[in-house]
Amino acid sequence: NAGVTQTPKFRILKIGQSMTLQCTQDMNHNYMYWYRQDPGMGLKLIYYSVGAGITDKGEVPNGYNVSRSTTEDFPLRLELAAPSQTSVYFCASSLPVTYEQYFGPGTRLTVT
Amino acid sequence: AQTVTQSQPEMSVQEAETVTLSCTYDTSESDYYLFWYKQPPSRQMILVIRQEAYKQQNATENRFSVNFQKAAKSFSLKISDSQLGDAAMYFCAFRGGSEKLVFGKGTKLTVNP
Repeated sequence: NAGVTQTPKFRILKIGQSMTLQCTQDMNHNYMYWYRQDPGMGLKLIYYSVGAGITDKGEVPNGYNVSRSTTEDFPLRLELAAPSQTSVYFCASSLPVTYEQYFGPGTRLTVT
Repeated sequence: AQTVTQSQPEMSVQEAETVTLSCTYDTSESDYYLFWYKQPPSRQMILVIRQEAYKQQNATENRFSVNFQKAAKSFSLKISDSQLGDAAMYFCAFRGGSEKLVFGKGTKLTVNP
């Protein structure tokens, strides 16, 4: 049982480049989330989804896009990368009943 | 909007001793969930313990227990018999009626041998 997996683990982008962070869960969870964690800070919600085809903005959505075509996958797209997007990105999933979120291992992204 | 405050940026404890990490939150909701997550240097976020607001009994998971004071909106984490492996960042989190978790800024716990 892999849980929540994220790829890549590390990435360096140049300013203006685009990329997609992949997230997959095999627990059949309805809810999925994307967070960013800046140094010395807690997690801030970027986007979330309560099921396939349904997404909504979190606290810091600017500069990002998401899609949810299947229950398992929830990719996060960065368009026109900026240095302010340098952060560690976490994907998480949960069941609607228990609300416990299970996290992936994170992706460390540097934009230079 | 809900807020979660962890007033202790850093704490330290001697191995085998007990330490308490503080968390307060602000909400107008009566039904919600509270969580403590641990983030070791590996960065993996690990659920430590959860508490449902409707339950008066404090949650316990082995050496980890909480002191949940609903009226005071306080949710502290007690770690007993601290071990070197407990060293990590600890985040308090709140989940109300929305689908979102709100996190505090974290407390860095150091365990001294």
